Amino acid sequence: DADVTQTPRNRITKTGKRIMLECSQTKGHDRMYWYRQDPGLGLRLIYYSFDVKDINKGEISDGYSVSRQAQAKFSLSLESAIPNQTALYFCATSDRGKSSGDEQFFGPGTRLTVL
Amino acid sequence: GEDVEQSLFLSVREGDSSVINCTYTDSSSTYLYWYKQEPGAGLQLLTYIFSNMDMKQDQRLTVLLNKKDKHLSLRIADTQTGDSAIYFCAEGEGKLIFGQGTELSVKP
Repeated sequence: DADVTQTPRNRITKTGKRIMLECSQTKGHDRMYWYRQDPGLGLRLIYYSFDVKDINKGEISDGYSVSRQAQAKFSLSLESAIPNQTALYFCATSDRGKSSGDEQFFGPGTRLTVL
Repeated sequence: GEDVEQSLFLSVREGDSSVINCTYTDSSSTYLYWYKQEPGAGLQLLTYIFSNMDMKQDQRLTVLLNKKDKHLSLRIADTQTGDSAIYFCAEGEGKLIFGQGTELSVKP
């Protein structure tokens, strides 16, 4: 079974709709992240959470919100979707204090299209 | 702010060596990373280097770090078609800053 799962894997929606992307992990990690990937721009950090009561904005948080419902769950919401939020979204997790650095473990991604 | 830059494309022939380059701006990171993204999948850590090292070798992979020039490279020896993927350089602690990704195309 996958350690980091994302639902849905694909979603097509219309401008103005509210969308929630969900992420669950079985790795027992404290830290969770949401990124978006756009061609030629790499991965950009939207929000991150270092534990259940910690939420931080990333580089491109405008138009997005998050909820850390439990250690294992981190949801990303688009309150009113717009076409330039069309992208591939990734959730990732990491374990603090590892001697091998901050390796992040990625989910399979959610492809979101906003018409 | 912190920034990580990579060229977008690299094409090599099977059996040749591939060298993917990266420059970064934040010199305080303890680790620098190379991630690989295969088609239709998320990223996976390929290798990393501690900032006080100049070189790290792991089978076909060699990572070189030039801290003075803030330059990181990944060399893949004997490149195979299965190495075709997007390779991301990243740096940071806690939260990572990723480069744009270099799409490696390996031609038979």
